[in-house]
Amino acid sequence: DTEVTQTPKHLVMGMTNKKSLKCEQHMGHRAMYWYKQKAKKPPELMFVYSYEKLSINESVPSRFSPECPNSSLLNLHLHALQPEDSALYLCASSLPGGPNTGELFFGEGSRLTVL
Amino acid sequence: AQRVTQPEKLLSVFKGAPVELKCNYSYSGSPELFWYVQYSRQRLQLLLRHISRESIKGFTADLNKGETSFHLKKPFAQEEDSAMYYCALSGQAGNMLTFGGGTRLMVKP
Repeated sequence: DTEVTQTPKHLVMGMTNKKSLKCEQHMGHRAMYWYKQKAKKPPELMFVYSYEKLSINESVPSRFSPECPNSSLLNLHLHALQPEDSALYLCASSLPGGPNTGELFFGEGSRLTVL
Repeated sequence: AQRVTQPEKLLSVFKGAPVELKCNYSYSGSPELFWYVQYSRQRLQLLLRHISRESIKGFTADLNKGETSFHLKKPFAQEEDSAMYYCALSGQAGNMLTFGGGTRLMVKP
């Protein structure tokens, strides 16, 4: 299995809702990433987990809360989001050394709309 | 800080013509450079990386440290090359991959 699977593919939520995005990989990768991509813009790094520990947080607002319960799963918990948070959220994984060791494998993304 | 610049948002060429997608970077140390591609309705995927020095789908890219560039080239473009291309840089921190703004390549028949 050489894929990164993200669920749900689409999510619509209100500003007071609590929801979660999920990401799963079974390639034995020990580095996992969340990126945010707005329309016609490049992916922007949000978080990096290495060996299930948060190693990089790119000053992301606390309304986004990542979680890595085990080496195959990565969650992004969403609470009190704003309409400007509407975007495509991409999950990726790689060997533990990060992109300098091996390529990043990306999921298809979860398209989030905040009303 | 690390930064990647792709000056062209859109590049349109005819099939069989040469193509060059420009990428310039800013980084104080020794960077690792990559090209990622996203075909229509497909996920973002690695095309090539500078340390491999290989040709993938006819594309090559050479790292020019003097000009801080990593341009992607192909001598004869094909219609199936039409896609969004992102140049990306990873610095000493290892896990940070920074993308350029992307160039949409359109190959016309």
